[in-house]
Amino acid sequence: AQKVTQAQTEISVVEKEDVTLDCVYETRDTTYYLFWYKQPPSGELVFLIRRNSFDEQNEISGRYSWNFQKSTSSFNFTITASQVVDSAVYFCALLHHASGGSYIPTFGRGTSLIVHP
Amino acid sequence: EPEVTQTPSHQVTQMGQEVILRCVPISNHLYFYWYRQILGQKVEFLVSFYNNEISEKSEIFDDQFSVERPDGSNFTLKIRSTKLEDSAMYFCASSDDRVYGYTFGSGTRLTVV
Repeated sequence: AQKVTQAQTEISVVEKEDVTLDCVYETRDTTYYLFWYKQPPSGELVFLIRRNSFDEQNEISGRYSWNFQKSTSSFNFTITASQVVDSAVYFCALLHHASGGSYIPTFGRGTSLIVHP
Repeated sequence: EPEVTQTPSHQVTQMGQEVILRCVPISNHLYFYWYRQILGQKVEFLVSFYNNEISEKSEIFDDQFSVERPDGSNFTLKIRSTKLEDSAMYFCASSDDRVYGYTFGSGTRLTVV
């Protein structure tokens, strides 16, 4: 079975602090995809990044960076110099190949990030 | 930037009533999805749709649910006889690649009273 664990329910930081959101996943598939989504207070889900299981290169996009480590089944997300606008719920998701040929996502429970001015 | 449009943004219905949630996916996308998020909880997959048929569905997607793509643009989720526990935010998403990140709509908040 597939499982995504985001152990941090809520994180509170002060603006300009760096913060890392943890994501640990479980799957028996050799091919899978990992995602991060942001859900701001307005409620929509915003795609941030996708990683496939064969690409362990870390990625940086502005203040965002992602650390994918297959050895520990983790796909952690770091925000550098956090800003108030980063306040949101962040979801990690695992996309795996289902028996019917489709890909099915499993989401973690989300981490609520609160950035105080 | 292209977006997925969902209507209505909020719907209140009485228990036992049928509701239809509507979505207009991005025009060149081929894969369509419905998800549900009960307040404060994680996002749950309901169903995926490709080539005019359901390609995958979760345990949540039981006989009271159905999906349809009645024309070239709309993608609907019907809940036949709503229950209190169907109260949730329902997200539609579409993708042009089944393994790419989906584009989500803004959601329809369904409240069953």
